[in-house]
Amino acid sequence: DTAVSQTPKYLVTQMGNDKSIKCEQNLGHDTMYWYKQDSKKFLKIMFSYNNKELIINETVPNRFSPKSPDKAHLNLHINSLELGDSAVYFCASSHIAGEETQYFGPGTRLLVL
Amino acid sequence: AQTVTQSQPEMSVQEAETVTLSCTYDTSESDYYLFWYKQPPSRQMILVIRQEAYKQQNATENRFSVNFQKAAKSFSLKISDSQLGDAAMYFCAYRAVHSGNTPLVFGKGTRLSVIA
Repeated sequence: DTAVSQTPKYLVTQMGNDKSIKCEQNLGHDTMYWYKQDSKKFLKIMFSYNNKELIINETVPNRFSPKSPDKAHLNLHINSLELGDSAVYFCASSHIAGEETQYFGPGTRLLVL
Repeated sequence: AQTVTQSQPEMSVQEAETVTLSCTYDTSESDYYLFWYKQPPSRQMILVIRQEAYKQQNATENRFSVNFQKAAKSFSLKISDSQLGDAAMYFCAYRAVHSGNTPLVFGKGTRLSVIA
């Protein structure tokens, strides 16, 4: 009965590679997010999607491309990985309106060597 | 832009004692939500408590309660009867109320240690 799931949980890869992280939620939410947590534990929004439409795109290199095939899924594809991309990436979801709490996935720890 | 400040990078508390974590925020909005999330070593982000800015009454969830001072833009978390399982990073977060979805703005976190 997992609410927000992410795969993989760990990802170790070489500089220059392309990788994807998948996120799925079974809460019936219409909005999904990607957050990045850096080595100092600081969490910052990257993207937000509502009903498969990109709503928020913070200042993120265009090597990062989110894709939402349907409102239950939001994947993150990263091209030409760099050392500075090493971080924990969290997916979250909520309803669009009002006070709805955001529920987080377990995070994906990405290490770029 | 909204900002959230947690001035205590680290705190410690004896088991069964009470500890208060501080959080201040800056916003020009009148309607918003405030949250405390807990991140244990497992890395999972767990909602601890939520406060709606239009509510004067402080939110309470079992051993966790907040002191919400809207005029001072302060939102502290009190943990009573601390348990070993409370040891974690605690993040204060702000979310504006607009039409459409708005992301969370996080503070830098406070690492809480619980001493047996």
